[in-house]
This record gives sequence, C-alpha cells and structure tokens, in this order.
Amino acid sequence: QKEVEQNSGPLSVPEGAIASLNCTYSDRGSQSFFWYRQYSGKSPELIMFIYSNGDKEDGRFTAQLNKASQYVSLLIRDSQPSDSATYLCAVNRSYIPTFGRGTSLIVHP
Amino acid sequence: EAGVAQSPRYKIIEKRQSVAFWCNPISGHATLYWYQQILGQGPKLLIQFQNNGVVDDSQLPKDRFSAERLKGVDSTLKIQPAKLEDSAVYLCASSPLNRVRNEKLFFGSGTQLSVL
Repeated sequence: QKEVEQNSGPLSVPEGAIASLNCTYSDRGSQSFFWYRQYSGKSPELIMFIYSNGDKEDGRFTAQLNKASQYVSLLIRDSQPSDSATYLCAVNRSYIPTFGRGTSLIVHP
Repeated sequence: EAGVAQSPRYKIIEKRQSVAFWCNPISGHATLYWYQQILGQGPKLLIQFQNNGVVDDSQLPKDRFSAERLKGVDSTLKIQPAKLEDSAVYLCASSPLNRVRNEKLFFGSGTQLSVL
C-alpha cells in the first residue's frame, strides 16, 4: 500500500465549477498535510496546509481533513483555466514530507 | 528574497557516466531536501539534511547516489554510474526549520536529467 494515494486523473471541470481533489494516507501518525500545485515543467509550490480535523479556507481554496478516515481533500471554487495543473498531496510523517503522485486538473473554458 | 538555486537546468549523459547537481538553499534555511521526480509521478525523497547532518536517506540508492552538504549551506548530489532509470527531474527544496508541523518547502527549478 502506497503511503499517500491520489487518483492521477485527469479531472476535467468547466470554468466556474468546483474542483474536488482527494488524497488518502496510510500512516495514522501523520501530523500535517499539504497541497502543492505544479504547473507543467515547473516546480511545486505550496497552496494550502492543514493539521487539524475540519476545514481550512483560503480564498477560493478549501482544505478538508478527516484523520479518522485518513483522508484529505482540496476544493477549488470558481475554477479558472489558470488552475489547470497537477495537484500534489504531501503528508508529514516524523517531520519528513512524503508526496503522492498528483492529480492532473484541467479546467476548460 | 532569493529563491533556491539549482544547476545545471538540463543534463544529458550516457549510461554508466557520472553526473553532479548543485543546490544553494534560501539563506538561513536549515533543512535541505533532494527529491527525484520521474515523469508522471510525485516527488520521491532521496535525502534530507538538517544543517550538515542527514535526517533521512532511506530511499537513496547508496550504491550509486551520494550527497553532501558542506558547512550546512549548499549541497551536491552525485550519481555514479548513471542508469537509464535515473532519467528524472531532480528537485532541491529548503525550509527554515525542521520539526515544525506546518513547515513549507521552497523548491528550486530542478535539474532535468536524461540518461541515454
């Protein structure tokens, strides 16, 4: 079982819709959770982090964490074509970040 | 604030040759990471330094890969000899502190390695 699992996609949504990206992790001792965005040919950049159960909102982005289900998600409201990228889920276990394979998001006009 | 610097940007070598990558983290960042990202996959941690000590190198293929961080600042990653499966982007990242649960990683632009 992989430590951090994501559906590779692509997830295709129309402009203005809500994009929902999901991630599961295997280590119950994981402490903090991150979402990075990676444009094609570029390096990852952090967009959200969360470490408590519940929701955390930042602009159009909402991160959701459910430690009992070992599940973390990212919602992107009012999706824009510029949001088209690969979204990487990362989990800190013993202060060492582990990444999932990423989900490709395509927002079409 | 200057970002994480990496060089070279691209490298093409033949299998069994050696190659080295260089990384200079953001000034003052104690923790430095080397990740390998194969096309279509997420970044895989190769080695993590805090200052000039190794925190984790459990996924570093030590028979061919080596890394050092002299004086706790810049770092080099070396592959000798290279194999075809080493073709990937090698990402360097840094962060201010270790053992902080909401710590953000700052990535360099990466080195794209092609092994022919």
